[in-house]
Amino acid sequence: NAGVMQNPRHLVRRRGQEARLRCSPMKGHSHVYWYRQLPEEGLKFMVYLQKENIIDESGMPKERFSAEFPKEGPSILRIQQVVRGDSAAYFCASSTGGPGNTEAFFGQGTRLTVV
Amino acid sequence: GESVGLHLPTLSVQEGDNSIINCAYSNSASDYFIWYKQESGKGPQFIIDIRSNMDKRQGQRVTVLLNKTVKHLSLQIAATQPGDSAVYFCAEAGGYQKVTFGTGTKLQVIP
Repeated sequence: NAGVMQNPRHLVRRRGQEARLRCSPMKGHSHVYWYRQLPEEGLKFMVYLQKENIIDESGMPKERFSAEFPKEGPSILRIQQVVRGDSAAYFCASSTGGPGNTEAFFGQGTRLTVV
Repeated sequence: GESVGLHLPTLSVQEGDNSIINCAYSNSASDYFIWYKQESGKGPQFIIDIRSNMDKRQGQRVTVLLNKTVKHLSLQIAATQPGDSAVYFCAEAGGYQKVTFGTGTKLQVIP
């Protein structure tokens, strides 16, 4: 059973470009979470999704950021018109149930560098 | 002992000694707590969890203690090994409340 798969592992974008981060949850998991981490800091919640639904996006900036988890395929975190401050590690986690009920498994992250 | 670094507090422990990592959580409505270990360049890895109807839970070499009165969580690692060196995060959740992470503690094991 493969774990949570994130790709790419490293992504370099110039300012103004778009970044697309992909997350394939573990088999059987229908709940996906995205977190952002700056060096030497904790993980900051961004968004919680179930298949085709956004449950909680309270941690996601209102502009330039969007997330989806379609019926088929991976979850996508999309950052439009990237700026230097978007440089960070973005982690995805998945679980079988809601966040307060079951263990969430994390992927290895995508490290975004904006130049 | 414990010291405050630039961003993360650091705990230095001699190999073979026991480690205790502490965490204060913020939401009294949280009823599910998790400890994660994160090694450099990797994603967080689940260590152990505990629900609010318990005050102690043991795993292999690890024990989590929960004090709901003072909203305090601790992780005890027995016979600390070099492979335990990592950043440790506590996290809290409840119902459909998102999992919220603490700031983390860096554990350094001295051989």
